[in-house]
Amino acid sequence: NAGVTQTPKFRVLKTGQSMTLLCAQDMNHEYMYWYRQDPGMGLRLIHYSVGEGTTAKGEVPDGYNVSRLKKQNFLLGLESAAPSQTSVYFCASSYTRNPSGEYFGAGTRLSVL
Amino acid sequence: AQSVTQPDIHITVSEGASLELRCNYSYGATPYLFWYVQSPGQGLQLLLKYFSGDTLVQGIKGFEAEFKRSQSSFNLRKPSVHWSDAAEYFCAVGAKSGSGNTGKLIFGQGTTLQVKP
Repeated sequence: NAGVTQTPKFRVLKTGQSMTLLCAQDMNHEYMYWYRQDPGMGLRLIHYSVGEGTTAKGEVPDGYNVSRLKKQNFLLGLESAAPSQTSVYFCASSYTRNPSGEYFGAGTRLSVL
Repeated sequence: AQSVTQPDIHITVSEGASLELRCNYSYGATPYLFWYVQSPGQGLQLLLKYFSGDTLVQGIKGFEAEFKRSQSSFNLRKPSVHWSDAAEYFCAVGAKSGSGNTGKLIFGQGTTLQVKP
């Protein structure tokens, strides 16, 4: 069992470039989440999904899009990256709507120049 | 709205001294509560969690936390700090909507712990 795997681990983009972050889980979890972490602000929810084919906005969704075409994968897209999107991104998953808090990816460090 | 506050941004303690990190939450019912630790450049590690039952929760690495409903607090404690405990600590609460739990977490701003030799 790999748990929650994030790809890539590091990335540097130029302003205006696009990219997709991949989150994959092998635990058959229904719920998946994307958070961003910024200094002094903890983690904030970007988007989440309560099942295959469904997505919803979180606290800070602007500038991001997501897709959940397969149950095990949750993709986070930046269509036109901005320096304000420089952050560490964490993916999480949960089997039910009762949060276990246990399943987080290792994070993706993104710098937008 | 649900929220989590960690009043202390930065705490310094001497090695071997006791530690208490504060966490206050705003929530309308019995919450799901969590404490995480993050070393520099690393991911989140779950220290402990509270769902129900005994209000004193034991976690990994010698940490414990106590849920106090009357004070809306879930403070993290350790009787004797080691230099390796230097890290950032996050408190989190499970977010609810009108239909119940959502699985989402609301995080506090974090507390950075420095350990003096």
